[in-house]
Amino acid sequence: DSGVTQTPKHLITATGQRVTLRCSPRSGDLSVYWYQQSLDQGLQFLIQYYNGEERAKGNILERFSAQQFPDLHSELNLSSLELGDSALYFCASTRGEYNEQFFGPGTRLTVL
Amino acid sequence: DQQVKQNSPSLSVQEGRISILNCDYTNSMFDYFLWYKKYPAEGPTFLISISSIKDKNEDGRFTVFLNKSAKHLSLHIVPSQPGDSAVYFCAAGSGNNRKLIWGLGTSLAVNP
Repeated sequence: DSGVTQTPKHLITATGQRVTLRCSPRSGDLSVYWYQQSLDQGLQFLIQYYNGEERAKGNILERFSAQQFPDLHSELNLSSLELGDSALYFCASTRGEYNEQFFGPGTRLTVL
Repeated sequence: DQQVKQNSPSLSVQEGRISILNCDYTNSMFDYFLWYKKYPAEGPTFLISISSIKDKNEDGRFTVFLNKSAKHLSLHIVPSQPGDSAVYFCAAGSGNNRKLIWGLGTSLAVNP
């Protein structure tokens, strides 16, 4: 157990819909990262927040947005969903000197 | 442009033997590297890291070697155990940039 929690574990929805994925970092970690892993793909970095502020952006679509709240939990909002958005979405939090990221169990999103 | 490459998508090793997973990178600005292990339907788990000021770091059965001139690192697992069967990701970062660049992973199968 990494200490990072993600909800929900599974999400099934239809094209065009909007969903929100939630992540709580490990106690004491200020940074949250979001990743997407599609079938047979590596981890694609989406976005990073540090203590409530956006710190780095990766390959995040304009239909996607995220925020980190004062209690440090983060939400990833995915809108106008397409079939290709079906993937595992991971969040991670970090503390170590070399950016060791601790991952949550992921949310599996299926868009039908 | 894949800055971190894991050229072997899969590797099969006999239990008790050595597993060697390789990773190449192109960006000379990377100054730390991490290895993660991932089981199906779980988030990646941090294994071991190495700073560019070192050429070797060891933690139990896991050793990471870094060859900066060749821009190459490798993860050695000795002895390999069936429980090591997983996908292994190499990731790299630089300085204060908290964004990790990930390889696509190598699937290791350790056969009893």
